[in-house]
Amino acid sequence: DGGITQSPKYLFRKEGQNVTLSCEQNLNHDAMYWYRQDPGQGLRLIYYSQIVNDFQKGDIAEGYSVSREKKESFPLTVTSAQKNPTAFYLCASTNRGVSSGANVLTFGAGSRLTVL
Amino acid sequence: AQTVTQSQPEMSVQEAETVTLSCTYDTSESDYYLFWYKQPPSRQMILVIRQEAYKQQNATENRFSVNFQKAAKSFSLKISDSQLGDAAMYFCAYRSAGIIQGAQKLVFGQGTRLTINP
Repeated sequence: DGGITQSPKYLFRKEGQNVTLSCEQNLNHDAMYWYRQDPGQGLRLIYYSQIVNDFQKGDIAEGYSVSREKKESFPLTVTSAQKNPTAFYLCASTNRGVSSGANVLTFGAGSRLTVL
Repeated sequence: AQTVTQSQPEMSVQEAETVTLSCTYDTSESDYYLFWYKQPPSRQMILVIRQEAYKQQNATENRFSVNFQKAAKSFSLKISDSQLGDAAMYFCAYRSAGIIQGAQKLVFGQGTRLTINP
Protein backbone atom coordinates (compact mmCIF):
# COMPACT_ATOMS: atom_id res chain seq x y z
CA ASP A 1 0.00 0.00 0.00
CA GLY A 2 1.18 3.50 -0.77
CA GLY A 3 1.87 5.89 2.04
CA ILE A 4 4.32 7.97 4.01
CA THR A 5 6.78 6.42 6.44
CA GLN A 6 8.31 8.52 9.18
CA SER A 7 11.10 7.29 11.42
CA PRO A 8 11.91 7.06 14.18
CA LYS A 9 8.56 7.22 15.94
CA TYR A 10 10.21 8.38 19.17
CA LEU A 11 13.56 10.13 19.47
CA PHE A 12 15.44 11.50 22.43
CA ARG A 13 18.19 14.06 22.05
CA LYS A 14 20.62 15.74 24.35
CA GLU A 15 20.93 19.48 24.15
CA GLY A 16 23.49 20.57 21.55
CA GLN A 17 22.99 17.56 19.31
CA ASN A 18 21.65 17.58 15.77
CA VAL A 19 19.09 14.93 14.88
CA THR A 20 17.56 13.91 11.57
CA LEU A 21 13.97 12.76 11.10
CA SER A 22 13.28 10.58 8.10
CA CYS A 23 10.31 10.90 5.75
CA GLU A 24 9.83 8.54 2.81
CA GLN A 25 6.81 8.34 0.47
CA ASN A 26 5.91 5.87 -2.26
CA LEU A 27 2.93 7.81 -3.54
CA ASN A 28 4.85 9.43 -6.40
CA HIS A 29 3.90 12.82 -4.97
CA ASP A 30 5.83 15.87 -6.11
CA ALA A 31 5.41 18.08 -3.06
CA MET A 32 6.45 17.28 0.49
CA TYR A 33 6.06 19.20 3.75
CA TRP A 34 7.23 19.23 7.35
CA TYR A 35 4.92 20.46 10.09
CA ARG A 36 5.52 20.91 13.79
CA GLN A 37 2.72 20.30 16.28
CA ASP A 38 2.70 21.75 19.79
CA PRO A 39 -0.19 21.53 22.26
CA GLY A 40 -2.78 24.24 21.66
CA GLN A 41 -1.05 25.64 18.57
CA GLY A 42 -2.18 23.40 15.75
CA LEU A 43 0.30 22.59 13.00
CA ARG A 44 2.94 25.04 11.87
CA LEU A 45 4.86 24.73 8.60
CA ILE A 46 8.64 24.32 8.88
CA TYR A 47 9.78 23.62 5.30
CA TYR A 48 8.25 22.45 2.06
CA SER A 49 9.49 21.22 -1.29
CA GLN A 50 7.54 21.20 -4.52
CA ILE A 51 10.19 19.54 -6.65
CA VAL A 52 13.46 17.64 -6.29
CA ASN A 53 16.47 19.80 -5.38
CA ASP A 54 14.28 22.73 -4.41
CA PHE A 55 12.69 23.70 -1.08
CA GLN A 56 11.35 26.78 0.68
CA LYS A 57 11.16 27.97 4.25
CA GLY A 58 7.84 27.84 6.01
CA ASP A 59 6.71 29.90 8.96
CA ILE A 60 9.11 28.50 11.57
CA ALA A 61 12.24 27.39 9.66
CA GLU A 62 14.84 28.75 12.09
CA GLY A 63 16.93 25.97 13.60
CA TYR A 64 15.87 23.41 11.00
CA SER A 65 17.31 22.23 7.68
CA VAL A 66 16.09 19.93 4.92
CA SER A 67 17.21 18.33 1.68
CA ARG A 68 15.34 16.93 -1.31
CA GLU A 69 17.78 14.83 -3.31
CA LYS A 70 15.19 12.24 -4.26
CA LYS A 71 11.49 12.56 -5.02
CA GLU A 72 10.66 9.96 -2.40
CA SER A 73 12.64 11.41 0.47
CA PHE A 74 12.50 14.66 2.47
CA PRO A 75 14.56 14.39 5.69
CA LEU A 76 14.39 17.07 8.36
CA THR A 77 17.39 17.93 10.53
CA VAL A 78 16.73 19.60 13.86
CA THR A 79 19.88 21.50 14.66
CA SER A 80 21.28 22.66 17.98
CA ALA A 81 20.18 26.17 16.98
CA GLN A 82 16.54 25.21 17.49
CA LYS A 83 15.84 26.55 20.96
CA ASN A 84 12.78 24.49 21.80
CA PRO A 85 12.81 21.35 19.67
CA THR A 86 10.64 19.12 21.84
CA ALA A 87 7.52 18.58 19.71
CA PHE A 88 5.62 16.22 17.44
CA TYR A 89 6.74 16.40 13.80
CA LEU A 90 4.52 15.48 10.89
CA CYS A 91 5.57 14.91 7.29
CA ALA A 92 3.05 15.21 4.45
CA SER A 93 2.93 15.01 0.67
CA THR A 94 0.65 15.87 -2.21
CA ASN A 95 0.54 16.01 -5.98
CA ARG A 96 1.12 19.13 -8.03
CA GLY A 97 -0.44 19.84 -11.40
CA VAL A 98 -3.03 21.97 -13.13
CA SER A 99 -5.78 20.93 -10.78
CA SER A 100 -3.51 20.49 -7.82
CA GLY A 101 -5.50 22.86 -5.73
CA ALA A 102 -7.97 20.13 -5.01
CA ASN A 103 -5.34 17.61 -4.01
CA VAL A 104 -5.23 16.60 -0.42
CA LEU A 105 -2.24 16.32 1.87
CA THR A 106 -1.43 12.78 2.97
CA PHE A 107 0.30 12.63 6.34
CA GLY A 108 2.76 10.25 7.93
CA ALA A 109 2.26 8.89 11.45
CA GLY A 110 4.64 11.43 12.97
CA SER A 111 7.82 11.51 15.02
CA ARG A 112 7.97 12.58 18.66
CA LEU A 113 11.22 14.36 19.54
CA THR A 114 12.14 14.96 23.17
CA VAL A 115 15.17 16.94 24.27
CA LEU A 116 16.62 15.75 27.57
CA ALA B 1 -1.34 36.16 5.31
CA GLN B 2 -4.24 33.84 5.83
CA THR B 3 -5.28 32.81 9.33
CA VAL B 4 -7.62 30.13 10.62
CA THR B 5 -9.31 30.32 14.01
CA GLN B 6 -11.07 27.58 15.96
CA SER B 7 -12.63 29.20 18.99
CA GLN B 8 -13.65 25.99 20.78
CA PRO B 9 -10.62 24.26 22.37
CA GLU B 10 -12.86 21.44 23.63
CA MET B 11 -16.31 20.08 22.85
CA SER B 12 -18.27 17.10 24.10
CA VAL B 13 -21.37 15.33 22.85
CA GLN B 14 -23.47 12.35 23.80
CA GLU B 15 -23.16 9.31 21.60
CA ALA B 16 -25.71 9.32 18.74
CA GLU B 17 -26.29 13.07 19.01
CA THR B 18 -25.17 15.86 16.69
CA VAL B 19 -22.32 18.29 17.30
CA THR B 20 -21.04 21.30 15.37
CA LEU B 21 -17.43 22.48 15.41
CA SER B 22 -16.73 26.10 14.45
CA CYS B 23 -14.04 27.53 12.20
CA THR B 24 -13.47 31.02 10.85
CA TYR B 25 -10.74 32.19 8.54
CA ASP B 26 -9.33 35.41 7.20
CA THR B 27 -8.25 35.85 3.60
CA SER B 28 -8.35 38.38 0.79
CA GLU B 29 -8.45 35.68 -1.85
CA SER B 30 -11.59 34.65 -3.68
CA ASP B 31 -10.55 31.14 -4.67
CA TYR B 32 -9.36 28.67 -2.08
CA TYR B 33 -10.00 25.32 -0.43
CA LEU B 34 -11.05 24.46 3.09
CA PHE B 35 -10.53 21.19 4.91
CA TRP B 36 -11.38 19.43 8.14
CA TYR B 37 -8.81 16.93 9.39
CA LYS B 38 -9.24 14.49 12.26
CA GLN B 39 -6.38 13.44 14.54
CA PRO B 40 -7.31 10.47 16.76
CA PRO B 41 -5.15 9.37 19.71
CA SER B 42 -2.86 7.55 17.26
CA ARG B 43 -1.97 11.09 16.00
CA GLN B 44 -2.42 10.08 12.36
CA MET B 45 -3.98 12.99 10.47
CA ILE B 46 -7.00 11.88 8.48
CA LEU B 47 -8.97 13.97 5.99
CA VAL B 48 -12.63 14.26 6.99
CA ILE B 49 -14.05 16.57 4.35
CA ARG B 50 -13.05 19.34 1.93
CA GLN B 51 -14.81 22.28 0.31
CA GLU B 52 -13.94 24.31 -2.78
CA ALA B 53 -14.72 27.98 -2.26
CA TYR B 54 -16.18 28.39 -5.74
CA LYS B 55 -18.84 25.78 -5.01
CA GLN B 56 -21.89 27.07 -3.21
CA GLN B 57 -23.13 23.61 -2.30
CA ASN B 58 -21.96 22.40 1.09
CA ALA B 59 -19.83 19.27 1.05
CA THR B 60 -21.05 16.10 2.75
CA GLU B 61 -19.35 12.80 3.55
CA ASN B 62 -21.70 10.31 5.19
CA ARG B 63 -22.30 11.60 8.75
CA PHE B 64 -20.07 14.63 8.22
CA SER B 65 -21.23 17.84 6.57
CA VAL B 66 -20.11 21.45 6.48
CA ASN B 67 -21.83 24.80 6.61
CA PHE B 68 -19.77 27.03 4.35
CA GLN B 69 -20.58 30.73 4.59
CA LYS B 70 -18.17 32.47 2.23
CA ALA B 71 -19.21 36.03 2.98
CA ALA B 72 -18.90 35.43 6.70
CA LYS B 73 -15.68 33.42 6.20
CA SER B 74 -17.08 30.61 8.27
CA PHE B 75 -16.64 26.86 7.79
CA SER B 76 -18.28 24.74 10.48
CA LEU B 77 -18.31 20.94 10.65
CA LYS B 78 -21.41 19.04 11.68
CA ILE B 79 -21.11 15.46 12.89
CA SER B 80 -24.41 13.59 12.98
CA ASP B 81 -25.11 10.42 14.95
CA SER B 82 -21.83 10.79 16.86
CA GLN B 83 -19.91 7.58 17.46
CA LEU B 84 -17.22 6.73 19.99
CA GLY B 85 -14.72 6.50 17.15
CA ASP B 86 -15.28 10.16 16.33
CA ALA B 87 -13.39 11.18 19.46
CA ALA B 88 -10.33 13.07 18.26
CA MET B 89 -8.74 16.46 17.69
CA TYR B 90 -10.31 18.19 14.73
CA PHE B 91 -8.38 20.74 12.70
CA CYS B 92 -9.75 23.21 10.21
CA ALA B 93 -7.34 24.14 7.41
CA TYR B 94 -7.11 26.65 4.56
CA ARG B 95 -5.29 26.38 1.27
CA SER B 96 -4.98 28.90 -1.53
CA ALA B 97 -6.13 27.74 -4.95
CA GLY B 98 -3.30 29.54 -6.70
CA ILE B 99 -0.53 27.61 -8.41
CA ILE B 100 2.25 30.04 -7.54
CA GLN B 101 5.07 28.73 -5.48
CA GLY B 102 4.01 28.09 -1.92
CA ALA B 103 0.32 28.20 -2.66
CA GLN B 104 -0.16 24.56 -1.84
CA LYS B 105 0.72 24.82 1.81
CA LEU B 106 -2.04 24.39 4.38
CA VAL B 107 -2.71 26.86 7.16
CA PHE B 108 -4.21 25.15 10.23
CA GLY B 109 -6.38 26.29 13.08
CA GLN B 110 -5.50 25.50 16.69
CA GLY B 111 -7.78 22.46 16.85
CA THR B 112 -10.86 21.36 18.81
CA ARG B 113 -10.74 18.32 21.04
CA LEU B 114 -13.99 16.36 20.69
CA THR B 115 -15.08 13.95 23.39
CA ILE B 116 -17.90 11.46 22.86
CA ASN B 117 -19.81 10.50 26.00
CA PRO B 118 -21.34 6.99 25.95
